Amino acid sequence: DAGVTQSPTHLIKTRGQHVTLRCSPISGHKSVSWYQQVLGQGPQFIFQYYEKEERGRGNFPDRFSARQFPNYSSELNVNALLLGDSALYLCASSLGDSSNEKLFFGSGTQLSVL
Amino acid sequence: KQEVTQIPAALSVPEGENLVLNCSFTDSAIYNLQWFRQDPGKGLTSLLLIQSSQREQTSGRLNASLDKSSGRSTLYIAASQPGDSATYLCAVEGNTPLVFGKGTRLSVIA
Repeated sequence: DAGVTQSPTHLIKTRGQHVTLRCSPISGHKSVSWYQQVLGQGPQFIFQYYEKEERGRGNFPDRFSARQFPNYSSELNVNALLLGDSALYLCASSLGDSSNEKLFFGSGTQLSVL
Repeated sequence: KQEVTQIPAALSVPEGENLVLNCSFTDSAIYNLQWFRQDPGKGLTSLLLIQSSQREQTSGRLNASLDKSSGRSTLYIAASQPGDSATYLCAVEGNTPLVFGKGTRLSVIA
């Protein structure tokens, strides 16, 4: 069975541009979460979606948005990129949205903003 | 606001040694504590999940304990191997989604 897949694996953008990151969860998983991991730090929660509805949002500006599609895949969009948005963006999926759910992470998208 | 701290930030040990990684958190109102492994530039692999009602979990050479009242957890790795070299992250889930520590970077020298 395929794990969580993310695309692209690497991306280089310039300041002010827009970026879309994609995530496909494990088959049967209905919840997708997004995390930002800056070099040397732990991942920081951005969004959670379950059954196409936003269930949680971290402390990120409105430049960050996301959505989940009927097939449970998800997109993370970032507008007006800043140098500080350079990071590894991780997607995680789980069966449901209750506590104590085991999370399965993808390998991430490494975003560099120049 | 929940804060998670991991000590030490980095650790280098010879192969075969037993070792302990530490994690502390400020808010004891948690649902669970999880330990993850991360290889360089890669995603996270879940190692152990300890629910708030549990005291410890074991998987192979790994044992994680949880003392919720004192806000502490330890990850014990027995008979370390070079393949254990990675960053180990601790995370807690409470009224907010997972809050991670910065991790402990472990190097096991053959």
